[in-house]
Amino acid sequence: NAGVTQTPKFQVLKTGQSMTLQCAQDMNHEYMSWYRQDPGMGLRLIHYSVGAGITDQGEVPNGYNVSRSTTEDFPLRLLSAAPSQTSVYFCASSSRTGRSGANVLTFGAGSRLTVL
Amino acid sequence: AQRVTQPEKLLSVFKGAPVELKCNYSYSGSPELFWYVQYSRQRLQLLLRHISRESIKGFTADLNKGETSFHLKKPFAQEEDSAMYYCALGSTDSWGKLQFGAGTQVVVTP
Repeated sequence: NAGVTQTPKFQVLKTGQSMTLQCAQDMNHEYMSWYRQDPGMGLRLIHYSVGAGITDQGEVPNGYNVSRSTTEDFPLRLLSAAPSQTSVYFCASSSRTGRSGANVLTFGAGSRLTVL
Repeated sequence: AQRVTQPEKLLSVFKGAPVELKCNYSYSGSPELFWYVQYSRQRLQLLLRHISRESIKGFTADLNKGETSFHLKKPFAQEEDSAMYYCALGSTDSWGKLQFGAGTQVVVTP
């Protein structure tokens, strides 16, 4: 059981470049979300999804796009990278079914992005 | 608006000493409170949730709705408790997304 898988683990971009951070989960979780982790600011929600075909913005969505074409995958796209997007990105998933409940998140290992 | 405040960025304690991590929240609805922990080179993971009222790894946390607090406590810190701890707020109105505090780095020295 792989849980939540994020790729790549590390990435260096130049300002203006675009890229996609991949996130996949194999637990059939309906909820998926992307957070960024910055020192002194904790984790901030970028985008989230309550199911395939449904996405919504979080606290810091500017500069990022998401889509949820399948239950398993939730990629995060940076359209034109900026140095302010240098961060560690975490994907998470959860489900209302089962014992834990939808607010107990399973996290990926993180993707460290540097924008020069 | 939801807000989670963790006033301490860094807590340095000696092994065997008590440790308390403070967390205050603001939310007008029915909150769910959590403590998540990130050990070095490991994934962020759930430590405690208020509704389970458990003790995990010797840690406890009590939700005080009057003071809007959810402080994390352990009577005797161990070196393996060194980690980053995040307090998080969720709700039953908006499943699957949490508001996190800024985090508290705990360093336990022998």
